[in-house]
Amino acid sequence: DADVTQTPRNRITKTGKRIMLECSQTKGHDRMYWYRQDPGLGLRLIYYSFDVKDINKGEISDGYSVSRQAQAKFSLSLESAIPNQTALYFCATSVTGVADTQYFGPGTRLTVL
Amino acid sequence: AQSVTQPDIHITVSEGASLELRCNYSYGATPYLFWYVQSPGQGLQLLLKYFSGDTLVQGIKGFEAEFKRSQSSFNLRKPSVHWSDAAEYFCAVGISNFGNEKLTFGTGTRLTIIP
Repeated sequence: DADVTQTPRNRITKTGKRIMLECSQTKGHDRMYWYRQDPGLGLRLIYYSFDVKDINKGEISDGYSVSRQAQAKFSLSLESAIPNQTALYFCATSVTGVADTQYFGPGTRLTVL
Repeated sequence: AQSVTQPDIHITVSEGASLELRCNYSYGATPYLFWYVQSPGQGLQLLLKYFSGDTLVQGIKGFEAEFKRSQSSFNLRKPSVHWSDAAEYFCAVGISNFGNEKLTFGTGTRLTIIP
């Protein structure tokens, strides 16, 4: 079984809809991250969490919110989706900080019409 | 603030040929340096990383990278590519400065392998 899983893998939604992307991990890591990937822009950090009680904004957090329900679960919400949030979203985990390897989920492809 | 540049958006090489993917960074000190690979439909996987010490780093799948301080570069190499190496490759730069940490990814290089 995969160590980092994301659901759904693909989602098409309409402008203005609320949508939640979920991430679960079995690696036992404290740190979890949400990134979005856009063609030609690489990966950009949306939110990150050092543990259940510690959540921090990344470089592009506007329009997004997160919830860390447990050590193993980190959800990303789009309260009112807009077309420029169409992207590939990745969840990742790590044991420690920036010097550590990050382990990525398979991604969720989100399309906002 | 640090930045990372991958100047090649797309590279095509023949199977069996050698490969070099370029990565340049901008930062006042030596950052943590990483190469990740993203195969089609999958998440990113770490190929190798450099923190200090020997400037030639060996990674998985036969890849290596060389850190050159004078050129602020961390180029990825493979002597002979296989069709399964077709993927997108990301260089990443991490800094830790008085408790403030940041990992920045490059824009990626897409590698196509031709028979």
